[in-house]
Amino acid sequence: GAVVSQHPSRVICKSGTSVKIECRSLDFQATTMFWYRQFPKQSLMLMATSNEGSKATYEQGVEKDKFLINHASLTLSTLTVTSAHPEDSSFYICSAPGPGGDTQYFGPGTRLTVL
Amino acid sequence: AQSVTQLGSHVSVSEGALVLLRCNYSSSVPPYLFWYVQYPNQGLQLLLKYTSAATLVKGINGFEAEFKKSETSFHLTKPSAHMSDAAEYFCAVSGASNSGYALNFGKGTSLLVTP
Repeated sequence: GAVVSQHPSRVICKSGTSVKIECRSLDFQATTMFWYRQFPKQSLMLMATSNEGSKATYEQGVEKDKFLINHASLTLSTLTVTSAHPEDSSFYICSAPGPGGDTQYFGPGTRLTVL
Repeated sequence: AQSVTQLGSHVSVSEGALVLLRCNYSSSVPPYLFWYVQYPNQGLQLLLKYTSAATLVKGINGFEAEFKKSETSFHLTKPSAHMSDAAEYFCAVSGASNSGYALNFGKGTSLLVTP
């Protein structure tokens, strides 16, 4: 149980385009999901908290207009990187608290490369 | 606020030797502590967690960790390393009262297992 999926696993896009990444909780509901960013050889940094039915909460320094988050249902959150630039290239990982709420379950990640 | 510090960005052990990965935490509230493992280009897999129950926590793949409040530590150990243990390991913390249980991660420790 407590499986989180992400789609796509890899995406390559041109600079200036927008990319949407989906995060789904497959066998449980999640009113909250989290989006992290991981640069090569570095740790995960929390970008934002996605809240079902309300606006996302962004961490300091994260541009909310650039990283659009929509928590469309109790099993789906999407992260859209708008007008992507090469510096946005990174590994994006989502997580959701599983049943019981005290443990985060992570998706497999999405590797974004912006040319 | 909660944070963790992982001592040693790289640890190398021989196959069959003891694995010890160090993590110290800082938290203004009783912490929930986690160890995750990440294989290349993959998401994070939960190894074990401490959520204020038993201080010695046993996880998957033979790993265990001991919560020591007096030392503010949560070191990860495994009696005998396998080649398949080579990966990146992250210690993480969330406050029991932290809304949504978002995690703060350490910088990670890369474990190398040599034959």
